[in-house]
Amino acid sequence: DIQMTQSPSSLSASVGDRVTITCRASQSVSAYLNWYRQEPGKAPKCLIHGTSSLQDGVPSRISGSGSGSGTDFSLTISSLQPEDVATYYCQQSYSKPFTFGQGTKLEIK
Amino acid sequence: EVKLEDSGGGLVQPGGSLRLSCAASGFPLNRYAMTWVRQAPGKGLEWVSTIGGLGVDTYYSDSVKGRFSISRDNSKNMLYLQMNSLRAEDTAIYYCAAGDVYFDHWGQGTLVTVSS
Repeated sequence: DIQMTQSPSSLSASVGDRVTITCRASQSVSAYLNWYRQEPGKAPKCLIHGTSSLQDGVPSRISGSGSGSGTDFSLTISSLQPEDVATYYCQQSYSKPFTFGQGTKLEIK
Repeated sequence: EVKLEDSGGGLVQPGGSLRLSCAASGFPLNRYAMTWVRQAPGKGLEWVSTIGGLGVDTYYSDSVKGRFSISRDNSKNMLYLQMNSLRAEDTAIYYCAAGDVYFDHWGQGTLVTVSS
């Protein structure tokens, strides 16, 4: 199974800050890397699929990228807003079993 | 509007069975693979099972293989998860989701509690 490791596990930042969450795969997942946001008490929502493709309705201050190695990925929020408070998960869809990272809890200072 | 509505959760004893349902509306279900994802209390997300658009191809995580069965009825726009031989570690919120490469629509989740 492919292991997905996110860092940090939790993050506190101020409104307007640039925030980056990283995700590392135990082996190459090519570009099959997706990001989800889960607000407290709600179902997850897909933000980005295929490393960098933004889902409809997701603000452009959110972006995704990969290093090209197929193992290192990042999610960046260019200007943190109060509505970004949530837990963020990466997920690989390169091979089954599909696996998620352990999550990054993002809070506002 | 795309909508997925999960139902069928509840309290069940260890070794018991439960059938979850997911009602889809607002999109052609037969064009989408469908997936179940679960989340244990206070924990992260875990992929459980995926079924292809025609219902022929099915995939399971090792933790549920042989105990759970995924199925669909495209004529009724319904997805199902039959869960047998339930264990305490199956306690979780179960979400249905549309897609297999990525999950772009999710149900609200249904809570399954396995306890005596």
